[in-house]
Amino acid sequence: GAVVSQHPSRVICKSGTSVKIECRSLDFQATTMFWYRQFPKQSLMLMATSNEGSKATYEQGVEKDKFLINHASLTLSTLTVTSAHPEDSSFYICSASGNRGSRETQYFGPGTRLLVL
Amino acid sequence: GENVEQHPSTLSVQEGDSAVIKCTYSDSASNYFPWYKQELGKRPQLIIDIRSNVGEKKDQRIAVTLNKTAKHFSLHITETQPEDSAVYFCAGWVGGTYKYIFGTGTRLKVLA
Repeated sequence: GAVVSQHPSRVICKSGTSVKIECRSLDFQATTMFWYRQFPKQSLMLMATSNEGSKATYEQGVEKDKFLINHASLTLSTLTVTSAHPEDSSFYICSASGNRGSRETQYFGPGTRLLVL
Repeated sequence: GENVEQHPSTLSVQEGDSAVIKCTYSDSASNYFPWYKQELGKRPQLIIDIRSNVGEKKDQRIAVTLNKTAKHFSLHITETQPEDSAVYFCAGWVGGTYKYIFGTGTRLKVLA
């Protein structure tokens, strides 16, 4: 299957700082990338969908000014958690779809565990 | 809005027994239903999927059935093994919105 990477795998930061998470498709062109958040023992909740070169579409209840998404190329999307607070601590997972498989096929990254102190 | 319900939330079976997880969806426009297995701290892994024009699909010990009329689909794992222990998520793909709606997850424990 296609390979999607995320960096960093885990990050600890102080409250009030910003954290950037990268999602890369390593061997295919990702026209669409999805960002999910997963709290412990819960399901994946879609935060936003980004298409290369366009503004991201955010799900209801997700603050676009707090979770900045950039999808400037067909292989890279970034999620920046601005002014992070302890309640933002979570597992953030990206997925990508594009010219590999069907349109419905999403390839997931390994996730980034964020802990805000 | 779109919703996918999943049951049970936890399931314990003896090794060698079968496990069944059920999901129902609300949006009749959903036409693709993947199942994911997620181990602790890892990414979800696609284990099987089914499209709305098919009623059943099987891959070795794993099978998925779909009832479009009732809007539900099920995951069947036969001859369970301890390594099948994980959290399983169903999802519905809503073509009009091009996104997955995930179920709430089922924590499966296979007891040796």
